Amino acid sequence: QVQLKETGPGLVQPTQTLSITCTVSGFSLTSYYMQWVRQTPGKGLEWMGFIRSGGSTEYNSEFKSRLSISRDTSKNQVFLKMNSLKTEDTGVYYCARGGLWAPFAYWGQGTLVTVSS
Amino acid sequence: DIQMTQSPSFLSASVGERVTLSCRASQNINKYLDWYQQKLGEAPKLLIYNTNNLHTGIPSRFSGSGSGTDYTLTISSLQPEDVATYFCLQRNSWYTFGAGTKLELK
Repeated sequence: QVQLKETGPGLVQPTQTLSITCTVSGFSLTSYYMQWVRQTPGKGLEWMGFIRSGGSTEYNSEFKSRLSISRDTSKNQVFLKMNSLKTEDTGVYYCARGGLWAPFAYWGQGTLVTVSS
Repeated sequence: DIQMTQSPSFLSASVGERVTLSCRASQNINKYLDWYQQKLGEAPKLLIYNTNNLHTGIPSRFSGSGSGTDYTLTISSLQPEDVATYFCLQRNSWYTFGAGTKLELK
């Protein structure tokens, strides 16, 4: 069955870089778009960006200057990297399967990231 | 950017009651509107996609309707397990979530 699981650092210091891994099973990354969505106390649910089945990416302009999404298809993993973290980036980060004209039908359980010194 | 406005922000209803939640887009989103349910401590769960299509395994008491800028999620007979926050998502132009409607039992 389709499964997604995010793994993150938990605590990150301000100005540092966040790295999160989404490990998937039950499907191939070369067949589906993969999304990153976060949920923060200040802004609620926000779409961050996606990586297409072919490997190209698109980003929300709110994050474009500091966000990078990549993948390793051999390991069934998708990666999020975001630099210059601020306390307002504290929240739960989700990966989800879906995109272009398809809904976000499958989600990971999310990983809580706290930005604090 | 398309803005999504959900109403009400908070709703209290009784078991068995018919419940209607609304989502309004700042421009026409061509029915690319999904509804998600999020229970406390869990990830969002897809209920309805493309305005009125029930996702696999979702009870038939959930339904969606709408067009243009105005969309509705209806729960025909509220059950205790429906206590959650409900979000809409537009997929017509990139992706924008609504702020959510928190549904509680009266």
